[in-house]
Amino acid sequence: AQTVTQSQPEMSVQEAETVTLSCTYDTSESDYYLFWYKQPPSRQMILVIRQEAYKQQNATENRFSVNFQKAAKSFSLKISDSQLGDAAMYFCAYRSMEYGNKLVFGAGTILRVKS
Amino acid sequence: GAVVSQHPSRVICKSGTSVKIECRSLDFQATTMFWYRQFPKQSLMLMATSNEGSKATYEQGVEKDKFLINHASLTLSTLTVTSAHPEDSSFYICSAGGGTRSYEQYFGPGTRLTVT
Repeated sequence: AQTVTQSQPEMSVQEAETVTLSCTYDTSESDYYLFWYKQPPSRQMILVIRQEAYKQQNATENRFSVNFQKAAKSFSLKISDSQLGDAAMYFCAYRSMEYGNKLVFGAGTILRVKS
Repeated sequence: GAVVSQHPSRVICKSGTSVKIECRSLDFQATTMFWYRQFPKQSLMLMATSNEGSKATYEQGVEKDKFLINHASLTLSTLTVTSAHPEDSSFYICSAGGGTRSYEQYFGPGTRLTVT
């Protein structure tokens, strides 16, 4: 079974600075999707970024980018120019290509943004 | 992105009663819907996967007789918590996927259930 590990329960970043959230996963599959979701205090899950494992190029979405290291099974999220609205719980998630849309979530990282 | 709604957003019920939570995909047909449970400051725990027109698949440790899931149409899934107890109090989130949105899951806003 696949597992996802987020080793940072909490992180802090100064407004306008850069922060990196870590995620590692374990799988025997060669093709899969990886996601980062944001859950603000409203608790609505918001998709931040998606990476297909077969793509070598790291995904980027505006201020959000990932460092995908397939061999190391690492998938970190970098947030540049942090804003107060970035404060939230961030979840890394794995989706198998073989077992439908089922997502496996990490434990989450609480990100605090200081003004 | 696609829109998924949940109703109600908050519900309080008495111990021993049943409560139904609805999950609707508003602008796409969802062949698969998922139900999660989340405790404060914890991750989402998948309870079950439901496919339209078939029985739900429950995760290990989830009581299927307590958490009844029905996915009667491509836009509606319901979770019924039967004979609720205070320990069932939690935040329940649904998500929808499949169909034309085959590789994504779209999340509802969640339902806070409090059992008194």
